[in-house]
Amino acid sequence: DAKTTQPTSMDCAEGRAANLPCNHSTISGNEYVYWYRQIHSQGPQYIIHGLKNNETNEMASLIITEDRKSSTLILPHATLRDTAVYYCIVRVGASGGSYIPTFGRGTSLIVHP
Amino acid sequence: DGGITQSPKYLFRKEGQNVTLSCEQNLNHDAMYWYRQDPGQGLRLIYYSQIVNDFQKGDIAEGYSVSREKKESFPLTVTSAQKNPTAFYLCASSTGFHSSFGTIYFGEGSWLTVV
Repeated sequence: DAKTTQPTSMDCAEGRAANLPCNHSTISGNEYVYWYRQIHSQGPQYIIHGLKNNETNEMASLIITEDRKSSTLILPHATLRDTAVYYCIVRVGASGGSYIPTFGRGTSLIVHP
Repeated sequence: DGGITQSPKYLFRKEGQNVTLSCEQNLNHDAMYWYRQDPGQGLRLIYYSQIVNDFQKGDIAEGYSVSREKKESFPLTVTSAQKNPTAFYLCASSTGFHSSFGTIYFGEGSWLTVV
């Protein structure tokens, strides 16, 4: 099953774009890439997901490479409230062919003034 | 509003006691999950359920038990057999279990402390 690799931590200046990378070199053709973020002491929050094409919503943009082995989450104008841990996840298989979302340590993003 | 409700937010447990964390969802999701999070760590899966009256062990099920008698409810019991239960507990639910699992929604979490 596909696993992900993310940098442990990153920082970004307020108002600048934050680009968070994720490697998922073993991803299968039908597996989606999902991004979540977790603000301290809260439950993780869904941000965006994609399969092949780049995606954009009101929170962020997701850029997936053509070979699908890596992706980048872009927060176009980071604010202090974007300081959080960001998780990149893909499907992990379990018994009976079902799919279990697995969260690693993610990337701790600190947005500074 | 649809969502996942966990209670209590904060819970204190004495040594040797069992405690139960509540998780209720009104999203009509089939799949529900319990995760444990220790400070500075990622989420570790305790139990998950694909359908009513069925559940499976996750990576760290020892010392925990669950039930799934109703679609909307998935309570977690932390038993006295769990030697280090102090942690942040997260309940979640999702659709599309047999595809790319679909978006997963989390509750606000419950802090459990052993005193």
